[in-house]
Amino acid sequence: GEDVEQSLFLSVREGDSSVINCTYTDSSSTYLYWYKQEPGAGLQLLTYIFSNMDMKQDQRLTVLLNKKDKHLSLRIADTQTGDSAIYFCAESTGGGNKLTFGTGTQLKVEL
Amino acid sequence: EADIYQTPRYLVIGTGKKITLECSQTMGHDKMYWYQQDPGMELHLIHYSYGVNSTEKGDLSSESTVSRIRTEHFPLTLESARPSHTSQYLCASSDLTADNEKLFFGSGTQLSVL
Repeated sequence: GEDVEQSLFLSVREGDSSVINCTYTDSSSTYLYWYKQEPGAGLQLLTYIFSNMDMKQDQRLTVLLNKKDKHLSLRIADTQTGDSAIYFCAESTGGGNKLTFGTGTQLKVEL
Repeated sequence: EADIYQTPRYLVIGTGKKITLECSQTMGHDKMYWYQQDPGMELHLIHYSYGVNSTEKGDLSSESTVSRIRTEHFPLTLESARPSHTSQYLCASSDLTADNEKLFFGSGTQLSVL
């Protein structure tokens, strides 16, 4: 079945860039997503990318997709303390099919 | 404002009690989901629904049950709660007609069974 892996923890200093990585196994993935979960809250969709794209930029967020290696990354520029949260990548094959979530990466931003 | 709501936000109950976790959305979405999130952060899909009178079991076996009598409402019930049911429960919805699976999540219910 599908498998989506992330590293568990990332610590960065305020103002630095953060890069959160994700690998997936389903080669038929159509869409890939990044969600953010703040403490005690539900998940919030940050951005998503269609599988025929290599890169998508949205303000401080840059998503890179390497479809050949099945690798997805989220870069957060000028990381702020408010970016401290758990970040989940997810993939789907579209058409009403279920999302498969990664294991989540806890991002801690230190002053 | 269109949104998705979960109640209660926190629930502490004793073993053996019957509980219902409520989830309602005002976005007109057909598809709704329940996820269980353990302390290790990982999300597990336990139930989902394509619309009224549709309920499906998710990837993780669960002793809970769900119903979908109205489009906007997707309650989850535990007939007899046990300490192993202690977890965060997240409800979500999505637009079935969209070609992607953008999920909108509620704030969650943190359940503690003593």
